[in-house]
Amino acid sequence: EAGVAQSPRYKIIEKRQSVAFWCNPISGHATLYWYQQILGQGPKLLIQFQNNGVVDDSQLPKDRFSAERLKGVDSTLKIQPAKLEDSAVYLCASSFLAGGLTDTQYFGPGTRLTVL
Amino acid sequence: GNSVTQMEGPVTLSEEAFLTINCTYTATGYPSLFWYVQYPGEGLQLLLKATKADDKGSNKGFEATYRKETTSFHLEKGSVQVSDSAVYFCALSGRTGNQFYFGTGTSLTVIP
Repeated sequence: EAGVAQSPRYKIIEKRQSVAFWCNPISGHATLYWYQQILGQGPKLLIQFQNNGVVDDSQLPKDRFSAERLKGVDSTLKIQPAKLEDSAVYLCASSFLAGGLTDTQYFGPGTRLTVL
Repeated sequence: GNSVTQMEGPVTLSEEAFLTINCTYTATGYPSLFWYVQYPGEGLQLLLKATKADDKGSNKGFEATYRKETTSFHLEKGSVQVSDSAVYFCALSGRTGNQFYFGTGTSLTVIP
């Protein structure tokens, strides 16, 4: 089966610009996650969707980050305006079950964002 | 709150050496525990998991046992290969299933 798709793979922008990332999860997966992975750190969960509803966005900086999953399939994460500290790899993951305790998450290749 | 602490790297081993990467956790209730691996140039992928105390997860020669009494989930392999060179992440899933926490990762390099 096809894995989690993400685009673009790389993005370079200047601070205060806007950027958007796209994710298409594995077909049939109910739950979708966005993570931020800063160099040298582990992934940090930004937001979790179950179908098209938000389950957890407690660590999403809502003043500049937004995400949507309108039809319960693919998702977009936006940063507006970007700051230098947003430079990171943005990972999308999906899982089959509805965010259950034992779920296995399948990760996409990530989008590497550099903010200059 | 929930958190995961991993031993710091990088770790360099010779081929066929024994590997241990330590992981301890803090959590309310009874989380599920995971090891993910990131090979060079690839995305994160699940290596193994354990969902309750005393469970042992295993895959590709790697093992980890969920130890509630020591709040640990150490990763072990008896004989590492060059192809095991990667970054290893310990992670936990909180009680309600919507709280995922990763450790900072441990880089492993295996030399022939």
